[in-house]
Order: sequence, then C-alpha cells, then structure tokens
Amino acid sequence: AQSVTQLGSHVSVSEGALVLLRCNYSSSVPPYLFWYVQYPNQGLQLLLKYTSAATLVKGINGFEAEFKKSETSFHLTKPSAHMSDAAEYFCAVSANTGFQKLVFGTGTRLLVSP
Amino acid sequence: DAGVTQSPTHLIKTRGQHVTLRCSPISGHKSVSWYQQVLGQGPQFIFQYYEKEERGRGNFPDRFSARQFPNYSSELNVNALLLGDSALYLCASSLDGQGAQYFGPGTRLTVL
Repeated sequence: AQSVTQLGSHVSVSEGALVLLRCNYSSSVPPYLFWYVQYPNQGLQLLLKYTSAATLVKGINGFEAEFKKSETSFHLTKPSAHMSDAAEYFCAVSANTGFQKLVFGTGTRLLVSP
Repeated sequence: DAGVTQSPTHLIKTRGQHVTLRCSPISGHKSVSWYQQVLGQGPQFIFQYYEKEERGRGNFPDRFSARQFPNYSSELNVNALLLGDSALYLCASSLDGQGAQYFGPGTRLTVL
C-alpha cells in the first residue's frame, strides 16, 4: 500500500524567495513519485516525476525535487518564487510495477506575495 | 497534439438521477484512469482501464461504473446520485497505465 503526507496545508512566500513544499511517502514497494500543480478551476498539470532514474529530478517552470529513500521524502523546491506559482500542489505516489494508481496527498496551497 | 479532453465541463443533477461523463485520452495513449476530487482534498482513484479491460478499482460503491471503447475513449457512469457525489471528476491518460498520467480539465458535478 502507498500513502503520502504533505506537511503544511498552506505555505506563504514572498516573490523571489525560495519555495519548499514537503512530501513524505510510505510504500511497501519501490515507488514512483510525482508532483502535480492545480490552478483554480482547472485539472492537474504534471510538474515532474521520479521513476527510479536520477534522484534529483528537474521539472517545468524551474521546479525540482530530490528523492531521498533514507528519509522517505520527495520535497519540491524552486529557488525563486514568481507570482504565477500561486496554486495548489499535490504530491502523489504509485507502485513502480504492475497496476499503478496514483495516491495523492491532501495538497499544499502556495501563496506568493509581492 | 491535443491533451486529454473531458465533457461536459459542468453538470448539475438532482439526487437519484444518473450521470455519464466522457473522456478522450491523448492520441496514442491506451490507458484511462478516473479520479474524484472533493473540494479541499486530493484526487481519489476510482477506476483504471487499459485496452478496454478494467485494471483496477478504488473504494467506491457499485453505483460507479466505467467502460473504455475501442478508440480508447472512456465513460464514467454514476447511478442514484447522492449529495456527496458532488465533486470534480478527473480523467487521466497514460501510454499503458504505468508511469506518468496526464490529466484533463475535469467535469464539475453538482448534485442538488
């Protein structure tokens, strides 16, 4: 079974500041991990994915995440926040073999102030 | 290339009615998954289909059913609607049900 915990339902940063959104996972098998972003009244857009290749994964819009097996973490970072980054961010986990369903965390709303 | 498309965009129904939601995957993708997203929560898995066969089902009642057609499009059906079925229903497609899934814009269902 898989599960995801996202620490902090809301994160506030100033424009230009570092963005750090936390995700810890639990999985009985080697996982695939994903970050998705959701803008108001829209579907989910894939930011990046870890599928057992490099542990540091670079995604779109300047985001990256590092898979740390020892810490069971997959935190999302961006060096400098932009106003357009304000959205809801979801971390998700799936098994890496066989039938794969995405199991999502409860989401973190990123607020960016000028 | 077109992304995942879903129809309708919005839908209002009353309790006890039936609803059908439709999804067309990205061209070349053979797997479709359905998720329910209740306001303020993360999406919850409902079904996954691959090559017209049900590959997995989430913890949803039998009022929920789905199918996939030869062109890989899919329908989600919900019978005997309850107020609690009000949610954003998301469709996601992938090449073969493994790896990354790409989501459509969703169908907002409101049950009155």
